[in-house]
Amino acid sequence: TQLLEQSPQFLSIQEGENLTVYCNSSSVFSSLQWYRQEPGEGPVLLVTVVTGGEVKKLKRLTFQFGDARKDSSLHITAAQPGDTGLYLCASRPYAGGTSYGKLTFGQGTILTVHP
Amino acid sequence: EAGVTQFPSHSVIEKGQTVTLRCDPISGHDNLYWYRRVMGKEIKFLLHFVKESKQDESGMPNNRFLAERTGGTYSTLKVQPAELEDSGVYFCASSLAYKGTARNEQYFGPGTRLTVT
Repeated sequence: TQLLEQSPQFLSIQEGENLTVYCNSSSVFSSLQWYRQEPGEGPVLLVTVVTGGEVKKLKRLTFQFGDARKDSSLHITAAQPGDTGLYLCASRPYAGGTSYGKLTFGQGTILTVHP
Repeated sequence: EAGVTQFPSHSVIEKGQTVTLRCDPISGHDNLYWYRRVMGKEIKFLLHFVKESKQDESGMPNNRFLAERTGGTYSTLKVQPAELEDSGVYFCASSLAYKGTARNEQYFGPGTRLTVT
């Protein structure tokens, strides 16, 4: 089973600051997804990265996939209080040419942005 | 379009009792997943249905857990008898497909918070 290590676990910053969240594994990812979860709701998909070295941008959020496809990062520029939430990375197993539906999640990063 | 719905939102039961959680996926989604998050741990996969068939049940913790999806629409997850360690948030998700990278986005419900006392 692929394990995802996410860091940091907690992040408390002031509005306007930048931050980066990391997701690492000892195994190669087939694809890597980033989710955001708010209290009382389920995770909501932000982005999927598939190709090594890929960079995707979603407004002030920048997602990178490592060249070796073993790590990924989420960078938020000029954080706002509305960015507060739980950020999760997740991967999907891929073995022997077979794709699987189940997702493996990291523990998550709880982000608090203070006004 | 309605999203994934789960019922109940909260359930408090005593050890040894039975609880049944329900999930209604997005209409037309053949794939339905159950996940669980216990306190302090990551969200973990329980099982995956494709229509009414169990595609992958490798995450089911033991035989006290029974999942069904009769008719390939809604699903139920029964815990009988419940133990203290079963407490946590149970999420359901659904997707159009599960292979490849297209149409396999999983949409999650709000979860059922189960507390076993």
